[in-house]
Amino acid sequence: DTGVSQNPRHKITKRGQNVTFRCDPISEHNRLYWYRQTLGQGPEFLTYFQNEAQLEKSRLLSDRFSAERPKGSFSTLEIQRTEQGDSAMYLCASSRPRFTDTQYFGPGTRLTVL
Amino acid sequence: SQQGEEDPQALSIQEGENATMNCSYKTSINNLQWYRQNSGRGLVHLILIRSNEREKHSGRLRVTLDTSKKSSSLLITASRAADTASYFCATSTSGTYKYIFGTGTRLKVLA
Repeated sequence: DTGVSQNPRHKITKRGQNVTFRCDPISEHNRLYWYRQTLGQGPEFLTYFQNEAQLEKSRLLSDRFSAERPKGSFSTLEIQRTEQGDSAMYLCASSRPRFTDTQYFGPGTRLTVL
Repeated sequence: SQQGEEDPQALSIQEGENATMNCSYKTSINNLQWYRQNSGRGLVHLILIRSNEREKHSGRLRVTLDTSKKSSSLLITASRAADTASYFCATSTSGTYKYIFGTGTRLKVLA
């Protein structure tokens, strides 16, 4: 257990529905990352927050994806009008770069879109 | 897009043997990290090497970095069955906050 938690751990939804995932980073970590991982591949960067500011967003992130980090604490990732291609593991990671660039990953949320 | 490419894609060895996996990347980096992922679980950080470093050790792990060849290698000595996992390299580059992960090497250590 790295100290980063994600909820839910599993989500099954029907195509066209909206889903929201939550990530709670390690409390003193000011950087937070979202990644997406499909079977047999490495994690793909989606977006990055420093405190509450979203500083970078991947071109992979279509308009259907939005992420927030109110007050620089927990973060949410919302996918609107889900498609079967959104099925993947969504990983959250946090870090405290003043001390180390190490990212601490949560266990992930596995999304299945039917 | 994946910046890093791990080689080999899969590796199967006997317990006690050494395992070497390689990572190649495309652009100049700030640092390179290696992560381990057990089946269906989150990633665990193993070791970080900065662009001005050439070699680092941590327990049974040895990482080398050759910036001229844009490549890194991870050596696991005296492997154990518990080392069975996928191993990924991740790079950070100047001007961006993101980390780019490779495609991974799936290591299987046979008891």
